[in-house]
Amino acid sequence: GAGVSQSPSNKVTEKGKDVELRCDPISGHTALYWYRQSLGQGLEFLIYFQGNSAPDKSGLPSDRFSAERTGGSVSTLTIQRTQQEDSAVYLCASHKSRDSYNEQFFGPGTRLTVL
Amino acid sequence: AQSVTQPDIHITVSEGASLELRCNYSYGATPYLFWYVQSPGQGLQLLLKYFSGDTLVQGIKGFEAEFKRSQSSFNLRKPSVHWSDAAEYFCAGTYNNNDMRFGAGTRLTVKP
Repeated sequence: GAGVSQSPSNKVTEKGKDVELRCDPISGHTALYWYRQSLGQGLEFLIYFQGNSAPDKSGLPSDRFSAERTGGSVSTLTIQRTQQEDSAVYLCASHKSRDSYNEQFFGPGTRLTVL
Repeated sequence: AQSVTQPDIHITVSEGASLELRCNYSYGATPYLFWYVQSPGQGLQLLLKYFSGDTLVQGIKGFEAEFKRSQSSFNLRKPSVHWSDAAEYFCAGTYNNNDMRFGAGTRLTVKP
């Protein structure tokens, strides 16, 4: 597709369950980011992938959060044993290279609700 | 600590009025600065960016922003607001893209 896509668009789960969120970046974009947007909060950086380099996981809030990127394209964010405070919109973004001034293209997000 | 601050959580302006959204940054040196807009149900879209040169930056949809080093600010402006500008606006800054810091956002309401 032409833009960054994310699935599902909405996910409702019960506390303690695991969830997987998917991101398809723009074709050819080597950099991919995950952010979390909580109600009334800015975007919280979670993790960053750049090409074949080791990901920057410095923003992951706990060891319940993990992410992988297969084949340098699709990425999956996994949250294990979900908690109510994990409820948020999870945004994925990609851009062409590691140049800092390149625009990040954002997906529409996945709204996660943990009951 | 590196941070970006948007002091105004919510702003309401009348259609046709001018707009200024505030953004302050706290970095050791000048970061790359961005303004993004998030319309309801939409992803974030880049309005404009600054990384060097002319301190007045023109963006899409009639927006502009001025970088003021003395005030550590990068305020977003528009001379005449349209109803379609109602959205959430985010200021962001980075030295490198793996450390992008976003402000909390300013929600803009446009009165008819």
